[in-house]
Amino acid sequence: AQKITQTQPGMFVQEKEAVTLDCTYDTSDQSYGLFWYKQPSSGEMIFLIYQGSYDEQNATEGRYSLNFQKARKSANLVISASQLGDSAMYFCAMREGDSGNTGKLIFGQGTTLQVKP
Amino acid sequence: DAMVIQNPRYQVTQFGKPVTLSCSQTLNHNVMYWYQQKSSQAPKLLFHYYDKDFNNEADTPDNFQSRRPNTSFCFLDIRSPGLGDAAMYLCATSREMGRMNTEAFFGQGTRLTVV
Repeated sequence: AQKITQTQPGMFVQEKEAVTLDCTYDTSDQSYGLFWYKQPSSGEMIFLIYQGSYDEQNATEGRYSLNFQKARKSANLVISASQLGDSAMYFCAMREGDSGNTGKLIFGQGTTLQVKP
Repeated sequence: DAMVIQNPRYQVTQFGKPVTLSCSQTLNHNVMYWYQQKSSQAPKLLFHYYDKDFNNEADTPDNFQSRRPNTSFCFLDIRSPGLGDAAMYLCATSREMGRMNTEAFFGQGTRLTVV
């Protein structure tokens, strides 16, 4: 069963507008971590934001925020004030409690975001 | 400054000809990972090292091997590349494995083409 689902293969957003990238996850663990990474065309995975399963507040990092709805098992990334440099592939990933001994990240299929001028 | 460096960025190899991809890190992290990312797919973990301890994922083909001669370097060896092994190979490091919020730092990847 797929553990991380990103249902939007591609998204467009106008420069300076906000955009939400969807992510749902499936786990039976009580302890887990959720990550968002950005992958530009150059290939490098760039860490954006982290949300722990026990964190009560939604995570924020600059223009990035994570809309964490635990009961719905969703962890959507919100990018405010989009910039042309935000055009990239975005991956949602999860680290489960039982993988704590490996640090293994399970990735979703990714969403390609294009920011239009 | 790049902290996880992969060489080469692009590699073309012949079908069946052994190939080695390299990864180095300046972070002094204990853990190093190799992920395979096929076109338009999610990265998939092949194996990882915690210090010198090697851990293979259950579904990683035997064709893929790895070496970690020291903390800084890790190599991915593909013994007999097939056309299906064409992919982006991503190396990542993390300081430790036990903490849930430990982020992984990725290199820029090596894009492998098999001809």
